[in-house]
Amino acid sequence: EAGVTQFPSHSVIEKGQTVTLRCDPISGHDNLYWYRRVMGKEIKFLLHFVKESKQDESGMPNNRFLAERTGGTYSTLKVQPAELEDSGVYFCASSQIMSWVRGNEQFFGPGTRLTVL
Amino acid sequence: AQKVTQAQTEISVVEKEDVTLDCVYETRDTTYYLFWYKQPPSGELVFLIRRNSFDEQNEISGRYSWNFQKSTSSFNFTITASQVVDSAVYFCALSEDYGQNFVFGPGTRLSVLP
Repeated sequence: EAGVTQFPSHSVIEKGQTVTLRCDPISGHDNLYWYRRVMGKEIKFLLHFVKESKQDESGMPNNRFLAERTGGTYSTLKVQPAELEDSGVYFCASSQIMSWVRGNEQFFGPGTRLTVL
Repeated sequence: AQKVTQAQTEISVVEKEDVTLDCVYETRDTTYYLFWYKQPPSGELVFLIRRNSFDEQNEISGRYSWNFQKSTSSFNFTITASQVVDSAVYFCALSEDYGQNFVFGPGTRLSVLP
């Protein structure tokens, strides 16, 4: 079974440009999460989809970030316009709905390394 | 508020030594989940273990073992007889509900030298 995939693996753009990151979750996983790790800091939560609905977007840093998950399958995260502080690694994760006993194991993709010059 | 602390930023050991990675968490919830993930040089986050707050049993999986102590809010990870392939960044994470996002610790970079 394929894992979580992310595209591109690396992106180098100039300040002010737009970049769109894509995440394909594991087939059948309703939950999809975006996280990012800015250089030298913790991995921080951005937002959570359940199918196509945004369950929690409290981690989105500002309105330059727009996430979508049309049809409840893959998701995109657009940064427009990109700023220098947006550089970092963006991770996507997916999980099934699980019981409170088993918790919620999230499967992570390899990440997209974004560099804004 | 949720918080995960991994006080060790970097650890270096020589192959075959045992090493323990510390994780201390803060949460107000009585139901929560703790996780360890490994990030090898290739960059992906690899799931290692999940523990829910009602299960304080320690776990051993091959050379890996985990010590969950609710009394000290700690979930430490020990690698026995470390190997070079164990070199990676290890993250401890907390989730306060089974569907919710993770709060990650800052990670501990482990270098195992031959």
